[in-house]
Amino acid sequence: AQSVTQLGSHVSVSEGALVLLRCNYSSSVPPYLFWYVQYPNQGLQLLLKYTTGATLVKGINGFEAEFKKSETSFHLTKPSAHMSDAAEYFCAVNTGGFKTIFGAGTRLFVKA
Amino acid sequence: DTGVSQDPRHKITKRGQNVTFRCDPISEHNRLYWYRQTLGQGPEFLTYFQNEAQLEKSRLLSDRFSAERPKGSFSTLEIQRTEQGDSAMYLCASSLGDRGHEQYFGPGTRLTVT
Repeated sequence: AQSVTQLGSHVSVSEGALVLLRCNYSSSVPPYLFWYVQYPNQGLQLLLKYTTGATLVKGINGFEAEFKKSETSFHLTKPSAHMSDAAEYFCAVNTGGFKTIFGAGTRLFVKA
Repeated sequence: DTGVSQDPRHKITKRGQNVTFRCDPISEHNRLYWYRQTLGQGPEFLTYFQNEAQLEKSRLLSDRFSAERPKGSFSTLEIQRTEQGDSAMYLCASSLGDRGHEQYFGPGTRLTVT
C-alpha cells in the first residue's frame, strides 16, 4: 500500500533562511510525487511534481524538490524564505490510476 | 479564470439535517474528485468520477453520503442526517487525466454541524 509521511507538523524559519520540508513515501511501484501548498481558507495549489526523468524538480515561487529513490524521499526546499511562504504544505503520492494519497501536512511559519 | 468553484463556501447546520454541496470543475476536465479534510490533516479521498460515472467510493463514505455528476459536468455531494463528526472541509478537485496529472482544487466548503 502507498503512504506518505511528512516529518514535522510545524516548521519555523526566519525570513531569508533555508526552507526544508521533509517527505518520505512508501510504494511498491515507481511513484508520481507532488507538493501542494494551502493558504488559509483556500484549496490546494500545486507547487511541483515528479513523474519521470530528472530527479530535481523546480516549481513555482522558487521551490524545488529532489526525488531520491534509494531514500524514498521527496523533500521540498527553498533557499530563502519569504513571509508570503507561510502556509500549509502537503506531499502526495500516486502509484497508479486515479488515487492520490496526501500526507498530514507541515505548517510553515516564517519569522521576521 | 475558470478554476474549480464550490458552493457554498460555508455551511452551518443542525445535527440530523441534510446538506448538499456543489462543485463546478474546470470545463475540459473529465475527472472529478471529492475529499474531506479535517483540522491538521491532509485531504482524505471520498469519491471519484470519470465523466458521469462514479468509479470509486472510499469506505469513509457511509450510506449517508451520496455524490452525483449528471452529464459529466458539475457534481453534488449530499450528506443526509448530518452528525457532528461530519464537520470538516469538503474539497473538490478536477483533472485532465489520472496519475501524473495534477489535480486542481476548489476553495472548499466548510461544514459545521451543531
